[in-house]
Amino acid sequence: DAKTTQPTSMDCAEGRAANLPCNHSTISGNEYVYWYRQIHSQGPQYIIHGLKNNETNEMASLIITEDRKSSTLILPHATLRDTAVYYCIVISKAAGNKLTFGGGTRVLVKP
Amino acid sequence: SAVISQKPSRDICQRGTSLTIQCQVDSQVTMMFWYRQQPGQSLTLIATANQGSEATYESGFVIDKFPISRPNLTFSTLTVSNMSPEDSSIYLCSVDSGTNYGYTFGSGTRLTVV
Repeated sequence: DAKTTQPTSMDCAEGRAANLPCNHSTISGNEYVYWYRQIHSQGPQYIIHGLKNNETNEMASLIITEDRKSSTLILPHATLRDTAVYYCIVISKAAGNKLTFGGGTRVLVKP
Repeated sequence: SAVISQKPSRDICQRGTSLTIQCQVDSQVTMMFWYRQQPGQSLTLIATANQGSEATYESGFVIDKFPISRPNLTFSTLTVSNMSPEDSSIYLCSVDSGTNYGYTFGSGTRLTVV
């Protein structure tokens, strides 16, 4: 699976949009971009995933560049409860594929 | 998506003893995954557990230290054997919940070895 690079940490103001970047320059054609987050003392939580097109769900939006070498997770209106470590993971959807976690981005939402 | 019940949620154990962690899923799944998260670190995959066959361990993890059982398609256990303080971590199980939900994780077992 392709390696991802994320900033170590970032701060965000409550109520504002949080834009979390992820580089995955070695991504291959059959690999998806998945985002998870881990709130303190909990198991990781699935947020969103995509292949080529931009995706949106009730939690977030995922913007994938046309060359697929990078993506941005957007939390449209960050709340204090969005404070967490966010992980960007690239993985193919073949059966039995295992998630490999990098360091993630530690997001602190401030009042 | 699948719902996972993981037990115990936390434990404090004496060095040299063993702890077995249970993971119960509310639906049948082919593969279950066990992770370790050391303090302040990201998650590291320990092994993949298939029903009816031996688990597949990642580099740095061995069956004698982390034996895994997978008796059916909804249940798995991970044992941390002959524990030392370095085994103090959060242990999590995970399953693939299918196309629209990604992988689901249990709430984790926080292990402290004294």
